[in-house]
Amino acid sequence: EAQVTQNPRYLITVTGKKLTVTCSQNMNHEYMSWYRQDPGLGLRQIYYSMNVEVTDKGDVPEGYKVSRKEKRNFPLILESPSPNQTSLYFCASSLSRRVDEKLFFGSGTQLSVL
Amino acid sequence: GENVEQHPSTLSVQEGDSAVIKCTYSDSASNYFPWYKQELGKRPQLIIDIRSNVGEKKDQRIAVTLNKTAKHFSLHITETQPEDSAVYFCAASTSGYALNFGKGTSLLVTP
Repeated sequence: EAQVTQNPRYLITVTGKKLTVTCSQNMNHEYMSWYRQDPGLGLRQIYYSMNVEVTDKGDVPEGYKVSRKEKRNFPLILESPSPNQTSLYFCASSLSRRVDEKLFFGSGTQLSVL
Repeated sequence: GENVEQHPSTLSVQEGDSAVIKCTYSDSASNYFPWYKQELGKRPQLIIDIRSNVGEKKDQRIAVTLNKTAKHFSLHITETQPEDSAVYFCAASTSGYALNFGKGTSLLVTP
């Protein structure tokens, strides 16, 4: 089944403890992206990648890192999480870098930083 | 960057009525406008989109209209059903490789 898989679905951690949220797609998509969703703020892009080894900042990149070593994987890394990074995170992918390609979203990761 | 305003933030309609959600954007170069639906606890999913070379697009009970001069576009849902209850996000393309999303509209369809 074609899908974007995120793990974990739920994560509770403490301030300063490094964590990684994994994202993998099996559709051979070029473009991958991370969003955070907060009440009243909608979906805001954190980072995106147009291909392997090509990543760029979105609107809210502070406090996050990403890597794209393989086409299928795009992990989101929080080196030193803080409470303001408590949010619902979505990974998404699309076939190409064209902005009018359909985005396929993962099932989301609810992160709580205490 | 692109600013996408979405209204209303919440909308309650009775089953069978129509629902309209409006979005405005600021970048005149935007040329792609998708709508995503997010059911409670689920992931956003594309339901309809429109490109700047057309003014209206329909898919069964949903339609999107675009007014490029006024820089606004709208989602219309007719004959609403309880399963239409969800959060709806509009988005507009930027000059780069990204979409800017509106803040979302929570639609509740009551039986």
